[in-house]
Amino acid sequence: DAKTTQPTSMDCAEGRAANLPCNHSTISGNEYVYWYRQIHSQGPQYIIHGLKNNETNEMASLIITEDRKSSTLILPHATLRDTAVYYCIVRFNFGNEKLTFGTGTRLTIIP
Amino acid sequence: NAGVTQTPKFQVLKTGQSMTLQCAQDMNHEYMSWYRQDPGMGLRLIHYSVGAGITDQGEVPNGYNVSRSTTEDFPLRLLSAAPSQTSVYFCASSLAMTSADTQYFGPGTRLTVL
Repeated sequence: DAKTTQPTSMDCAEGRAANLPCNHSTISGNEYVYWYRQIHSQGPQYIIHGLKNNETNEMASLIITEDRKSSTLILPHATLRDTAVYYCIVRFNFGNEKLTFGTGTRLTIIP
Repeated sequence: NAGVTQTPKFQVLKTGQSMTLQCAQDMNHEYMSWYRQDPGMGLRLIHYSVGAGITDQGEVPNGYNVSRSTTEDFPLRLLSAAPSQTSVYFCASSLAMTSADTQYFGPGTRLTVL
């Protein structure tokens, strides 16, 4: 059963903010939201994660709605190197819980 | 730190051949795992290990064996390769298996079984 729903693909102009949505309507209180990305032919790369508060790091910002049923990953100034598949993953914070990757969103940055 | 390394980068096998995909990490991570990625699909977990001497099955374990004799190494063995095992294989590691820990992925091994 898919825990997250993401658009299949998105385009964004270079230099603009890229906003990638993710729905996780069945998320439970102990589940975190993780974002990874995979640039063509490379291994996935961690971007950011959060529980209920908004988070920001040097790569991106994560905005989680108050009911935690959806979130948005924001790349503030997209560059061509941000072209990749972006995966939104929810995961428990106890036990032997593993990362479960879906098919993600293919983000294309347009010059 | 070299991070997570995988060898070989590319491999072609004939049906029925066996081989071992190597994975090593130098970050003293307890948790290691193997994923496979088929064209147009997300990553699927094959096997994982929460520490030396401990392994467990993931989502798609059939046809693969693993062992974890040291913290650093987590080899994946294909005992009798089949065309259905043609895929890109990624190894990953993290300090522990809690949600607060991020996983670091290797560059992948591209395997073709003829």
